[in-house]
Amino acid sequence: QVVESGGGLVQPGGSLRLSCAASGFNVSGHYVAWVRQAPGRGLEWVSIFYSAGATAYAASVKGRFIISRDTSKNLVYFQMNGLRVDDTAVYYCATGSTVVTPVDALDVWGQGTVVTVSS
Amino acid sequence: DIQMTQSPSSLSASVGDRVTIPCRASQNLAGYLHWYQQRPGKAPKLLIYGTSTLQSGVPSRFSGSGSGTDFTLTISGVQPEDSATYFCQQTYTTPATFGGGTRVE
Repeated sequence: QVVESGGGLVQPGGSLRLSCAASGFNVSGHYVAWVRQAPGRGLEWVSIFYSAGATAYAASVKGRFIISRDTSKNLVYFQMNGLRVDDTAVYYCATGSTVVTPVDALDVWGQGTVVTVSS
Repeated sequence: DIQMTQSPSSLSASVGDRVTIPCRASQNLAGYLHWYQQRPGKAPKLLIYGTSTLQSGVPSRFSGSGSGTDFTLTISGVQPEDSATYFCQQTYTTPATFGGGTRVE
């Protein structure tokens, strides 16, 4: 499973670091993605850290957010800088078990952590 | 970026109906198309991956089909607990975009 933490209220222009704690698998061997959902809106794929070390970002966050991992702690981080009001959302951490890995689907999701950007 | 289109954004059904939810991609996905169910206040749940493979534990009334750019999620004999929003997602390339969702009431 995965468990997110680190959400909260932050002013526009501020920073937050989300954490995704993995249990039952090693983050070094699985891709881990962040997906967000603004209030009343649909799902938005935001970023991914592949097992081999490659990363990718949505255009809306590229250059502001950074995904990283600490294999010794089995954690994936999401550093969010230059936060904007429209970054307000529930942020989910998700990964794929061995069965779905060949197609990069997400079958293990956390409960989400709420990020609110407001003055 | 690949655009994923889901229309309609909502639909109504009666218990036992056969419900079809379409999803269209702006380019060929080579089968890298997945379906998720999300109930209010809950995290999404994977239903179908790779266009048509049923995720373990998902009722067999759910099925997926399609190819190229056009895909469909079918619920054969919809149940009250199927009231939720359904999202398609492509992972053919990053960003791995989601469709806007179809709410089934």
